[in-house]
Amino acid sequence: SQQGEEDPQALSIQEGENATMNCSYKTSINNLQWYRQNSGRGLVHLILIRSNEREKHSGRLRVTLDTSKKSSSLLITASRAADTASYFCAPHSGNTPLVFGKGTRLSVIA
Amino acid sequence: DTAVSQTPKYLVTQMGNDKSIKCEQNLGHDTMYWYKQDSKKFLKIMFSYNNKELIINETVPNRFSPKSPDKAHLNLHINSLELGDSAVYFCASSRGHMNTEAFFGQGTRLTVV
Repeated sequence: SQQGEEDPQALSIQEGENATMNCSYKTSINNLQWYRQNSGRGLVHLILIRSNEREKHSGRLRVTLDTSKKSSSLLITASRAADTASYFCAPHSGNTPLVFGKGTRLSVIA
Repeated sequence: DTAVSQTPKYLVTQMGNDKSIKCEQNLGHDTMYWYKQDSKKFLKIMFSYNNKELIINETVPNRFSPKSPDKAHLNLHINSLELGDSAVYFCASSRGHMNTEAFFGQGTRLTVV
């Protein structure tokens, strides 16, 4: 298992703005997953992008993957106060459990 | 209908005690996990249990032991609790390890006093 490194550690934006957070990893992957964690709750799966995919959309979420740079980004468009949460990436390879980094803490101010 | 449920949600106990946290999933998954999230929100894998194969993170003290009575349950037993064990413990499950999302429980906040 390998751990992704999210950047920035914390991000504060106004409601309606877009939020971008990045994830870097070190070795080759089968897929990369993004999760959200609201305060005091468990992680919720947002999106999975496979190593042969470059971009994926889900509602207001857009994920990109650049395997040559070993990096991924999560874009949340038209952010809402309810998007306030921590976001974790999990680069995944082999038959191993998901490993998470420290996450990006997003604050959306109304 | 909760997919992954943990009990209790909160647990306050004294140092030296032995305690258990229960986890059940109704998703028909064959792989279950325990994670520990410390005060800095760093989420660390403790155990993975798949078709009776246990994968242990070697940094986990042997005071922690997972017990799986069947595929739908993975309980966490902790002996001789220490102050440093205070954290939020999350159970999760998935359909195997490969290319699948994990579903998490709501967490158990353990406080050792």
